Amino acid sequence: DTGVSQDPRHKITKRGQNVTFRCDPISEHNRLYWYRQTLGQGPEFLTYFQNEAQLEKSRLLSDRFSAERPKGSFSTLEIQRTEQGDSAMYLCASSGVGLAGVSSGELFFGEGSRLTVL
Amino acid sequence: TQLLEQSPQFLSIQEGENLTVYCNSSSVFSSLQWYRQEPGEGPVLLVTVVTGGEVKKLKRLTFQFGDARKDSSLHITAAQPGDTGLYLCAGYGSGNTGKLIFGQGTTLQVKP
Repeated sequence: DTGVSQDPRHKITKRGQNVTFRCDPISEHNRLYWYRQTLGQGPEFLTYFQNEAQLEKSRLLSDRFSAERPKGSFSTLEIQRTEQGDSAMYLCASSGVGLAGVSSGELFFGEGSRLTVL
Repeated sequence: TQLLEQSPQFLSIQEGENLTVYCNSSSVFSSLQWYRQEPGEGPVLLVTVVTGGEVKKLKRLTFQFGDARKDSSLHITAAQPGDTGLYLCAGYGSGNTGKLIFGQGTTLQVKP
């Protein structure tokens, strides 16, 4: 399967603990995105990378959140000192250029990592 | 900050009915995308509209991009239970940015 994969799919943690999510994008995609989504709502942009460079980060993202994409391939999203308000689905997506060297702009999403903070 | 407002937020209809979902903004977008998301899965792209006034059809779904490229609509004809899901419009922010922002979504429930 060459889709976007996320791990773990579910994480239950206690308030104050740190959690880390991993995303493996479609291999030839140079852009990688992280979103947060609560039930019945649209995905909220967190950050995105082009290759290994983090190009934009939401102002909504507190300093407890950090994302990395060290080699321009997989990415990790870490949440430190989790709070109950962090409970949500964390979605990863990737996009890339097509054969003509032009991006269609389509994002391909993983199935998400659901975080529950008790 | 560019925002996309969707309406309605929730729609529950009977099989066979028609419906329209709206996506509005005060900002101009170079293009708008529509995604559909089913429970437990990530959103999947349905269509991208690029040209002001453009109309695209995907079987029973008709997508329209406003002339001023500030709004879009999705019309479903003769809805079926398989159309149930969360419908999302999305657009790239102004300037040369790769940031894709989403509307708050419209949850559609089609009852048999």
